[in-house]
Amino acid sequence: DTEVTQTPKHLVMGMTNKKSLKCEQHMGHRAMYWYKQKAKKPPELMFVYSYEKLSINESVPSRFSPECPNSSLLNLHLHALQPEDSALYLCASSQVGTVRGYTFGSGTRLTVV
Amino acid sequence: DAKTTQPNSMESNEEEPVHLPCNHSTISGTDYIHWYRQLPSQGPEYVIHGLTSNVNNRMASLAIAEDRKSSTLILHRATLRDAAVYYCILGGATNKLIFGTGTLLAVQP
Repeated sequence: DTEVTQTPKHLVMGMTNKKSLKCEQHMGHRAMYWYKQKAKKPPELMFVYSYEKLSINESVPSRFSPECPNSSLLNLHLHALQPEDSALYLCASSQVGTVRGYTFGSGTRLTVV
Repeated sequence: DAKTTQPNSMESNEEEPVHLPCNHSTISGTDYIHWYRQLPSQGPEYVIHGLTSNVNNRMASLAIAEDRKSSTLILHRATLRDAAVYYCILGGATNKLIFGTGTLLAVQP
């Protein structure tokens, strides 16, 4: 299995809702990531997990809460989002200690209304 | 993090070679040069990486200048499916892949 699977593919949520994005990989990668991508912009790193522990938080607002329950799963919990948080959220995985060979999912297209 | 500079956009004709340049004058001795691309409506995908020597794989070739201050990604025969944003990224033994603005490659039939 050489894929990163993200669910759901599309999500529309109100500003008072709580929702979660899910990411799964079975490549044995021990580093997992969340990126945010606005239209026509490059992906921006949000969080890095290494060996299931949060190692990098790029000053992301607390309304985004990541969780890595095991080495194959990564969640992003969303609460009280703003319309400007609407974006494509990408998950990726890789071996620890390298920037090569990242595998990205196709993303969750999030719309906050 | 060392910075890279790429043209905003380039155009190519189908079945012709494409040379995508990247400048990285502040590269450190331990930085690898990585290329990723993002096809429309997809997540980025790894293309190739190198340190000092030129590299080839099934997708592309990477030519690295002798002083390592620049590199070129070479697609030998562009196809319509190669239309994408191509990102040149520097990195070493770290888990921090930071994307620049990249080059939008258009391929004309």
